[in-house]
Amino acid sequence: NAGVMQNPRHLVRRRGQEARLRCSPMKGHSHVYWYRQLPEEGLKFMVYLQKENIIDESGMPKERFSAEFPKEGPSILRIQQVVRGDSAAYFCASSPGQKVGEQYFGPGTRLTVT
Amino acid sequence: AQKITQTQPGMFVQEKEAVTLDCTYDTSDPSYGLFWYKQPSSGEMIFLIYQGSYDQQNATEGRYSLNFQKARKSANLVISASQLGDSAMYFCAMREGSNTGNQFYFGTGTSLTVIP
Repeated sequence: NAGVMQNPRHLVRRRGQEARLRCSPMKGHSHVYWYRQLPEEGLKFMVYLQKENIIDESGMPKERFSAEFPKEGPSILRIQQVVRGDSAAYFCASSPGQKVGEQYFGPGTRLTVT
Repeated sequence: AQKITQTQPGMFVQEKEAVTLDCTYDTSDPSYGLFWYKQPSSGEMIFLIYQGSYDQQNATEGRYSLNFQKARKSANLVISASQLGDSAMYFCAMREGSNTGNQFYFGTGTSLTVIP
């Protein structure tokens, strides 16, 4: 059973470009979470999605950031017009349900904005 | 208020010794879960141990144990017989049972260095 997969693992973008980060949850998992880790900090929640629904986006910046989890295919975190402050590691996690239990994390995508 | 507090930015331990990493949490939810993750320099998040708020006994997983003191709202990680490969960042996290988002709240982490 493959774990949570994220690609790309490393992404370099110039200021003003768009960044697309992909997350494929573990097989059978329908809940996806995105977290951001700034340098020297812990992970901060961004958004929680189920298939075709955004459940909680309270941690998402109001502008430039969006997320989706379509019926088919991976979850996408999209950052438009990236700025240097967007440079961070972005982690995706998945879980089979909403019970208080483990979330399985992907290896992360390290975004560098130059 | 911070949901998870880790007050030790950095810790050193001699190889083969035990070390305790501190974590306190803040919640009014009676149902919650506490987690510890290890993040080596390669960056991935590795699950170590889980403690449920209703669990009567402290969780143990191999060399890892969680010292759960509910009244004090602390969930310290104890690593016994430290190994060089234990050098990493360690994050404490919490999920609340009634939180519809079910998100994790993470602490700021503790950097552990194991000295040969």
